[in-house]
Order: sequence, then structure tokens, then C-alpha cells
Amino acid sequence: DTEVTQTPKHLVMGMTNKKSLKCEQHMGHRAMYWYKQKAKKPPELMFVYSYEKLSINESVPSRFSPECPNSSLLNLHLHALQPEDSALYLCASSQQGGLSYGYTFGSGTRLTVV
Amino acid sequence: DAKTTQPTSMDCAEGRAANLPCNHSTISGNEYVYWYRQIHSQGPQYIIHGLKNNETNEMASLIITEDRKSSTLILPHATLRDTAVYYCIVRPNNAGNMLTFGGGTRLMVKP
Repeated sequence: DTEVTQTPKHLVMGMTNKKSLKCEQHMGHRAMYWYKQKAKKPPELMFVYSYEKLSINESVPSRFSPECPNSSLLNLHLHALQPEDSALYLCASSQQGGLSYGYTFGSGTRLTVV
Repeated sequence: DAKTTQPTSMDCAEGRAANLPCNHSTISGNEYVYWYRQIHSQGPQYIIHGLKNNETNEMASLIITEDRKSSTLILPHATLRDTAVYYCIVRPNNAGNMLTFGGGTRLMVKP
């Protein structure tokens, strides 16, 4: 299995809702990432998990809460989002050490906040 | 990480070679040049990387100038499916767990 699987592919949520994005990989990668991508912009790093521990938080608002329950799963819990949080949320994984050619990205969850 | 400069957009005729330039004049000796691309509605995909020597794989060729201040990604026979945003990234190969994307070049392959 050489893929990163993200669910759901599309999500519409209200500003008072709580929802979660899910990411799964079975490549044995020990580093996992969340990126946010606005339309016509490059992906921006949000969080990095290394060996199931949060190692980098790029000053992301607390309404985004990441979780890494095990080495194959990465979640992003969403609560009280704003319309400007609408974006494509990408998950990626890599071998520990982050060799740049080893990043595998999922196809993303397209989030719309209404 | 060194900063990269890429043209915002380029067009290429189907079947012709697509040559995508990247300037990285502040590159350090331990920094590699990586190329990723992102096809519409998909996640970024690794293409190729190199340090000093030119590199070739089944997807593309990477030409790095002798002074390493610039490079060119070559898609030898572009197809419509190569229409995507191409990102040139410069960083050490052991730079911890961060991959940072710049603006990229939007390549449009036309029939």
C-alpha cells in the first residue's frame, strides 16, 4: 500500500459544528503532516507529528486540534470554524527524518464552512 | 531554506518538451533541489530531486547549472495530463520534518 487515504473528500459544516478529518497510511511512515491550501495558493504546513507526538505547530488557531492515535492514523478535529477556514486540507506522510522525496500526499478534504 | 523564484505560469504544446526554470541563487552547499507537482484537485506528487549532477527518471529530467544557482525541470514530451502546478523546493536532505512550498509555476499543456 503506497497511498495516503483521506476521508471525507468533501465536507460542509456550520460555524457551530464539530467535525473531524481523517488520514490513514500503511507505509510504515513515522512522520505525518497536515497542510492547508487556499485556492490558487501553495500548501501551507499546519502540524507535524513524529512518532505519534506533535513536533511542529505552525501557530495554528486552537479551533484546529490534531490527534495521532497510532502510527497509521492522523485526525484533525474541527470546532467553531470560520468561513475563511474553507480550504483544501491535505495530509502527508514520510519516513522519519523527512527525506524530501519521500513525502506522500493524500488527495485532500475540501472543506466549506458556512 | 533557500528561496526559489519560478515564473507564475507557462504554456506548452502537447508533444513538445516543457522546460520549467527555477532560480535559487542563495542555495547552500548541502541543499538539494526538489520538484513536486500538483494536478488539480489532487495532493502534491514528488517528481525528481538532485544536488549537483543532472538527473533523469521516468517522469522528467533535472538540469542543474554548474554554479547551482538555477535549475530546469524538463518534461520531454508533455501531455495534457501534465497540466499542473510545478513546485521547485530547495532544502537539505536531512532538514527535519518540514517541506515548504513556494508559489510554483502553473503549466498549461495545450492541444
